Amino acid sequence: AQTVTQSQPEMSVQEAETVTLSCTYDTSESNYYLFWYKQPPSRQMILVIRQEAYKQQNATENRFSVNFQKAAKSFSLKISDSQLGDTAMYFCAFMPVNAGNNRKLIWGLGTSLAVNP
Amino acid sequence: GAGVSQSPSNKVTEKGKDVELRCDPISGHTALYWYRQSLGQGLEFLIYFQGNSAPDKSGLPSDRFSAERTGGSVSTLTIQRTQQEDSAVYLCASSSSGTSGRFGQFFGPGTRLTVL
Repeated sequence: AQTVTQSQPEMSVQEAETVTLSCTYDTSESNYYLFWYKQPPSRQMILVIRQEAYKQQNATENRFSVNFQKAAKSFSLKISDSQLGDTAMYFCAFMPVNAGNNRKLIWGLGTSLAVNP
Repeated sequence: GAGVSQSPSNKVTEKGKDVELRCDPISGHTALYWYRQSLGQGLEFLIYFQGNSAPDKSGLPSDRFSAERTGGSVSTLTIQRTQQEDSAVYLCASSSSGTSGRFGQFFGPGTRLTVL
């Protein structure tokens, strides 16, 4: 079975510092997509960053970057220069490319991140 | 609209009543998903629609849950004879066929359902 594990239920960081959220996954697929989503208290789920497994280069989006280690099946999210608005639940998600007609995301349980002033 | 919309935002109902939750996907998106998020939990897949294909209902927790998508656009999730364990946030997401991998799914703000 394909699973996504986020081992840190809660984390906190001081404003302007850097924090890394961990995510590991289990799959026998060779090609897939990985995502980090952010869910602030407003409940709106927002895509933060995505990675295609066949690309070795780590994805970056402004202050957000990932450390993708395919062999280790690890996909951590680094947030640099943390801002108060980064306070949210962060979910890691996986989607195999060879999913047939069903592009179903498999989700971790989330990490609650608090950015402190 | 620019994004996925859902209505109502909040719904309080009594045990045993039926409820309908609505989702308006992004215009042109052919794929539509329903998820359930219980307090402190991740997302639980419920059902997936893709164009005119038969929906994937593998995530529906019981036969009290059903969903339809009319005209390939708006979707309604119906829960019959609601139970207290149905209390959760119900999220809808849409994506453009073929790009849901590259660009991910776009989510609505969710409907918070409370069953008393």
